[in-house]
Amino acid sequence: ENVLTQSPGTLSLSPGERATLSCRASQSVSSTYLAWYQLKPGQAPRLLIYAASIRATGIPDRFSGSGSGTDFTLTISRVEPEDFAVYFCQQYGSSPYTFGQGTKLEIK
Amino acid sequence: QVQLVESGGGVVQPGRSLRLSCAASGFTFSSYAMHWVRQAPGKGLEWVAVISYDGGHKYSTGSVEGRFTISRDNSKNTLFLQMNSLRAEDTALYYCARSSGDPRSPLDYWGQGTLVTVSS
Repeated sequence: ENVLTQSPGTLSLSPGERATLSCRASQSVSSTYLAWYQLKPGQAPRLLIYAASIRATGIPDRFSGSGSGTDFTLTISRVEPEDFAVYFCQQYGSSPYTFGQGTKLEIK
Repeated sequence: QVQLVESGGGVVQPGRSLRLSCAASGFTFSSYAMHWVRQAPGKGLEWVAVISYDGGHKYSTGSVEGRFTISRDNSKNTLFLQMNSLRAEDTALYYCARSSGDPRSPLDYWGQGTLVTVSS
């Protein structure tokens, strides 16, 4: 099983600041098979990024993804109030399609 | 628009069974792979199982193998998760989600989830 480890566990920022979230895999992941999701309380998870760097439909361009191999990053260039949520990475290249444990982005 | 609506959750005793359903609409259900993902209280997301568009391929995570079975009825646009021998650690909010074609695709639409509580 490919274990994904996200850091930090919690990120405290003010609106307008830059957010950098990390996802490290225990085994190499093809960039084709790495996604990021946003989860807010009471809402369905939302796909943000797939194939490591491609924004899903309707996702603002302040969200960007990068990385390869075992190290991937989600960046929010300027955090908006609606971005405070929990973010998960997922590899879907090999079963089981594991998720990271999540990074909570909270208001500072 | 794409809609996925889960149902069938509830409170069940350890060792008993439960069957979850996910009704799909707004897209050609038979063209998409479908997944179950769960979130235990206060925990992160855990991928549970996937079934290919035609039901010919199924994969699941180790902790549910031999206990949970994913299936689908393309004539009724419905996804199922049969859960047997339930344990306390299966308590979670269960989401269904779709991915296009190949099971190795991102989960682009999700339902709101149905809550399963395993407790005596």
